[in-house]
Amino acid sequence: QVHLVESGGGVVQPGRSLRLFCAASGFTFSNHAIHWVRQAPGKGLEWVAVISYDGSEERYADSVKGRFTISRDNSEKTTYMQMNSLRAEDTAVYYCARDPSSWYNYFDSWGQGTLVTVSS
Amino acid sequence: EIVMTQSPATLSVSPGERATLSCRASQSINSNLAWDNNLAWYQQKPGQAPRLLIYGVSARATGIPARFSGSGSGTNFTLTITSLQSEDFAVYYCQQYSEWPITFGQGTRLEIK
Repeated sequence: QVHLVESGGGVVQPGRSLRLFCAASGFTFSNHAIHWVRQAPGKGLEWVAVISYDGSEERYADSVKGRFTISRDNSEKTTYMQMNSLRAEDTAVYYCARDPSSWYNYFDSWGQGTLVTVSS
Repeated sequence: EIVMTQSPATLSVSPGERATLSCRASQSINSNLAWDNNLAWYQQKPGQAPRLLIYGVSARATGIPARFSGSGSGTNFTLTITSLQSEDFAVYYCQQYSEWPITFGQGTRLEIK
């Protein structure tokens, strides 16, 4: 059974950094791209970033480009999101989501999400 | 970027009836390849993560009941839910994956009439 568990969320001041984690189990992690998708309170879904199955390629939404970095460790079956220079508008639940293959760009399994609150 | 617009924002339907949700793209999301129709639909219930319902415009994800169906092409897409069950009342999002960046519609809330 596919299982994705996010962690690392919390309350952080504007301009500070936070690192999110997404631990995977129940599937061959190294065969799948992994995405981060966020949802601001009471709002819709916004795609944030993706990393390819082997970590060789990344893509970002313009809203986070240059501030967020996605990475992965296939030996640990974990994906990371380093978030720097955080802004109030980054406040959201952050979900990691599995790509059904190496790079299809839709999401067939989701974690339960971790809440990031950027506030002074 | 491709802007996805869903309508209506809220849809009120009685259990057992049919619901038709619309999603319009600001430009065509079809490619020249017949199999390459890059549109998905998700269901989200309060306090839960989204769940994949439909991919490739019309293919049901694993475990999704046959009462959910997707259709459309070019810029206009539809999610149809026949014989609505109580567990179907939720928010539904469409998503295009034809071009970067990946974008979602703003969602349609399906509520009990």
